[in-house]
Order: sequence, then structure tokens, then C-alpha cells
Amino acid sequence: QALVTQPASLSASPGASASLTCTLRSGINVGASRIYWYQQKPGSPPQFLLRYKSDSDKQQGSGVPSRFSGSKDVSANAGILLISGLQSEDEADYYCMIWYSNAWVFGGGTKLTVL
Amino acid sequence: EVQLVESGGGLVQPGGSLKLSCAASGFTFSSRWMSWVRQAPGKGLEWVANIKEDGSDQYYVDSVKGRFTISRDNAKNSLYLQMNSLRAEDTAVYYCANWDVWGQGTLVTVS
Repeated sequence: QALVTQPASLSASPGASASLTCTLRSGINVGASRIYWYQQKPGSPPQFLLRYKSDSDKQQGSGVPSRFSGSKDVSANAGILLISGLQSEDEADYYCMIWYSNAWVFGGGTKLTVL
Repeated sequence: EVQLVESGGGLVQPGGSLKLSCAASGFTFSSRWMSWVRQAPGKGLEWVANIKEDGSDQYYVDSVKGRFTISRDNAKNSLYLQMNSLRAEDTAVYYCANWDVWGQGTLVTVS
């Protein structure tokens, strides 16, 4: 079982909200984890969006709009990236990452389609 | 401006070697862990290696252990990745990164 799992794809309408999940393997406590989120568009490197551990321990990337926000679903052992007011330019691949034993562990990525 | 610029990618035969470089600017390089991350064509992100601020410790994904070496020169604000015994499955865009800044990447093709 992968350490970090993301749904492969998600579709949402312009103006709506999209909730992207990042589920940690059982035994890795999401409550103690800082979740990093990246956006990648075709032909470009990943761009840091935000990192989230708690409401008092979070950081937004430089220039990243506030409609991108992080949270957690502790019951599901998952981190969440919420994108509100979806725009066509939000169509991209989204990756979550955690630090685990001095390594970075990425989820497989979620392809977000805005249609 | 915070910037990471990779160089050194190219076409290499299986079993060959290549050394990637990354020039950092706009931040205190010597105070940050640094990483290499790769992305095979059409695939997701895969972490390759980390190195501590002072270079004292390095960490690798299992698939490159014994073949790749990450290093840094804080006096030159530079990060390196020496890649030996390259395989077809090492073909990817290699990114130099710290958690909030990524370079543009350099393509390594093993064929």
C-alpha cells in the first residue's frame, strides 16, 4: 500500500469548489503531519501552493490566491486541498507531499478538470 | 528573486554517467535542505535524494542507492547529482528543489 494516495482525477464546474484529498497510509498520523501541496501545469515545473499542519501552522505560497486553502480530515487520515471559485486556469495536476523518514513522499497526483 | 537553475542533462547510453548541477540564488542556500525530484514522461513526481544544510547527511530513494550521489557546495550555492550506472528507467526530467521553490528541470534520457 502506498504511503500517500490521491484520487487520479476530479472534475468540477467553473465557480464551484473542489476538494482534493491526500490520504495517508494507516500508521502515519495525519494529525502530526505537515501536508505540502503543489500545482503542475503541462510543460511547467511544480509550483508550491501551500503547506498545512493546523490552522496555527500553515503557510501559503507566494502569490497563491486565498481561494486555495488546506485542511485535514482526521477521521479519514487525510489532508485536503480546497479550491474555491474554480477558474479554468486551475485545471492542472495537483500533488501532495509529506516528509517521512528524511524523505519526501509524493502522492500519485490528481488531475483536476474544470468544465 | 529566488531561483534554482539546473544544467547537465542530456542523452546517455545505458550504463553511462551524468552529473547534474543546480545553481541557487535569492535565498540563503546554506541554511536549507535541498532535494532532487524526477518525473518520468507522463508520470508523477518521484523524490530522488535529499541533503542536509551542511552536506553531512544524504538520503536516497531505494532505486538509486549505490548509483546516485547528491552533494553540495555552499560556497558556490550549488547542488549536484552524480548519476552512475544509468538505466532506461532513469529517463526523466530532474528537478532541483527545496520544498517551496523548484527549478525548471533538466531532461535526462537514457537510451
